[in-house]
Amino acid sequence: DARVTQTPRHKVTEMGQEVTMRCQPILGHNTVFWYRQTMMQGLELLAYFRNRAPLDDSGMPKDRFSAEMPDATLATLKIQPSEPRDSAVYFCASAPGLNTEAFFGQGTRLTVV
Amino acid sequence: QKEVEQDPGPLSVPEGAIVSLNCTYSNSAFQYFMWYRQYSRKGPELLMYTYSSGNKEDGRFTAQVDKSSKYISLFIRDSQPSDSATYLCASPGPSGNTPLVFGKGTRLSVIA
Repeated sequence: DARVTQTPRHKVTEMGQEVTMRCQPILGHNTVFWYRQTMMQGLELLAYFRNRAPLDDSGMPKDRFSAEMPDATLATLKIQPSEPRDSAVYFCASAPGLNTEAFFGQGTRLTVV
Repeated sequence: QKEVEQDPGPLSVPEGAIVSLNCTYSNSAFQYFMWYRQYSRKGPELLMYTYSSGNKEDGRFTAQVDKSSKYISLFIRDSQPSDSATYLCASPGPSGNTPLVFGKGTRLSVIA
């Protein structure tokens, strides 16, 4: 059953703490995306990778967010330090290419108090 | 102006009604359009994919693109309570080689 797996599903943390979200893309997909979803802004692209290389992370606040792909089976999104305005659902998605169907994970619901 | 605009609703209809969901896009060079469906507490899933103008039908769902007015529509016939979800339109941009740009999504409730 090929699917994108995200961990953790839920995370509550205090302001100032580091948060790491993980994503296992579908095997064989060479493009990985990180999106953030809020009621106000909808789905916003934070960063994406092609063949593990970061192509664009202009959607991320650079001072606190970082995204990496240590290997083809793992993508990470880190927030340090976290702030209450970071509270949102973070989705990872993978795809065979850019203009093909993107398969989304179940998301990580982050609450920063 | 966002590249893809969508009325967030919410939209509430009785079971069996015909539903019309709409998006507008700003760049006339967009060629590919997608509709994703997102159930509560889940990730979005691709529902339909269309290229350029015209209609595409899949069961009770019809996707329509009007390039002259830069308008994208999704019609649901004989709507069911199981259709209750948020529907998001998306496009991979003018060349088809950029990440998907999503509308904010329209929340639909079909009442039995």
